[in-house]
Amino acid sequence: EAQVTQNPRYLITVTGKKLTVTCSQNMNHEYMSWYRQDPGLGLRQIYYSMNVEVTDKGDVPEGYKVSRKEKRNFPLILESPSPNQTSLYFCASSLNGKGASSPLHFGNGTRLTVT
Amino acid sequence: AQKVTQAQTEISVVEKEDVTLDCVYETRDTTYYLFWYKQPPSGELVFLIRRNSFDEQNEISGRYSWNFQKSTSSFNFTITASQVVDSAVYFCALSGTITGGGNKLTFGTGTQLKVEL
Repeated sequence: EAQVTQNPRYLITVTGKKLTVTCSQNMNHEYMSWYRQDPGLGLRQIYYSMNVEVTDKGDVPEGYKVSRKEKRNFPLILESPSPNQTSLYFCASSLNGKGASSPLHFGNGTRLTVT
Repeated sequence: AQKVTQAQTEISVVEKEDVTLDCVYETRDTTYYLFWYKQPPSGELVFLIRRNSFDEQNEISGRYSWNFQKSTSSFNFTITASQVVDSAVYFCALSGTITGGGNKLTFGTGTQLKVEL
């Protein structure tokens, strides 16, 4: 089944403790991206990757890192999480990154709480 | 810059009522796509529809219908004979061709729909 898989689904951590949220897709998609969802703000893009080893900042990249060493994986790294990074995170992928030419497939979300 | 406005933060209706969720967008792109997603309480995003800027025909899918009007930059979503299972947050989103971010969606802030018995 074609899907985008995020892990974990729920995560509670403490300020400053490094964490990684994994994202994997099995559709051989070139393009992957991360969004965060906050009440009253909708979803905002954090980082995106047009292909392997090509990543770039989205609208809200501060406090996050990503890597794209393999086509299928696009982990989101929080080196030193802070409470303002408490949010619902979504990973997404599409065949390519040419705006809107191919539909985005979303993972089921990761709910992160930083205390 | 692209922008999507969903002015209705929360709507409450009684089951079987019709309800319309409003979406107004701004973009400089001449080619763009508009989307609606449903987010049930479980949190995942459920894709409902994608419409490109050259197709202004209204669309109906069961109890769902969409009214795209380029003249008013609106892409409204109507649920006919609402049901309790329609209770969710609904997001309108826009994707263009000249905005950065690759295949990036610009989301509205969402409308919380509550359907009560």
